[in-house]
Amino acid sequence: ILNVEQSPQSLHVQEGDSTNFTCSFPSSNFYALHWYRWETAKSPEALFVMTLNGDEKKKGRISATLNTKEGYSYLYIKGSQPEDSATYLCASLNYGGSQGNLIFGKGTKLSVKP
Amino acid sequence: SQTIHQWPATLVQPVGSPLSLECTVEGTSNPNLYWYRQAAGRGLQLLFYSVGIGQISSEVPQNLSASRPQDRQFILSSKKLLLSDSGFYLCAWSIGASYEKLFFGSGTQLSVL
Repeated sequence: ILNVEQSPQSLHVQEGDSTNFTCSFPSSNFYALHWYRWETAKSPEALFVMTLNGDEKKKGRISATLNTKEGYSYLYIKGSQPEDSATYLCASLNYGGSQGNLIFGKGTKLSVKP
Repeated sequence: SQTIHQWPATLVQPVGSPLSLECTVEGTSNPNLYWYRQAAGRGLQLLFYSVGIGQISSEVPQNLSASRPQDRQFILSSKKLLLSDSGFYLCAWSIGASYEKLFFGSGTQLSVL
């Protein structure tokens, strides 16, 4: 059974702090890693899709890295703002599973205090 | 632009009653369509996906079923709900290969009592 683990489960930071969290996924038969942001009362929104080892992607103050050999990805938020408060989900797609079967982690819930 | 509509937003149903959740996508053709569920304390779990009309793949054995009667319509159904069917249901779509990002609907909170 493929497992995607995210840590920490929740995180409380002050406005202006930089933070990061981890996604661990199966490294065997890896195909793609997704990051989503899920704000309360809204739909999950895609942040990044990464496929290559060493990939680094950036969107504003948010960036992500990917290590497919060891099976982890980091999401970084620089200078957190209250509007960054959300649950951040990662999902791994590995060969051998069904075409559409992204395996999601349980998410990291980020709360940014003003 | 593409939009996805999912309804209802909340639903309270008794055990043993039927279920029908509907999802429609606008502004795109031949999307891949997905039904996910998030049960309490768990990650999003894929229930069904479809790559075309009438083509449904099931990922998890359960008493739910899905249908795709039209290109941009995806329906999740049950003949008799169980308590364990409670959860948050999300419809999603993507274009092309499964590594492409998903676009999610607003979700349905289902409580089976």
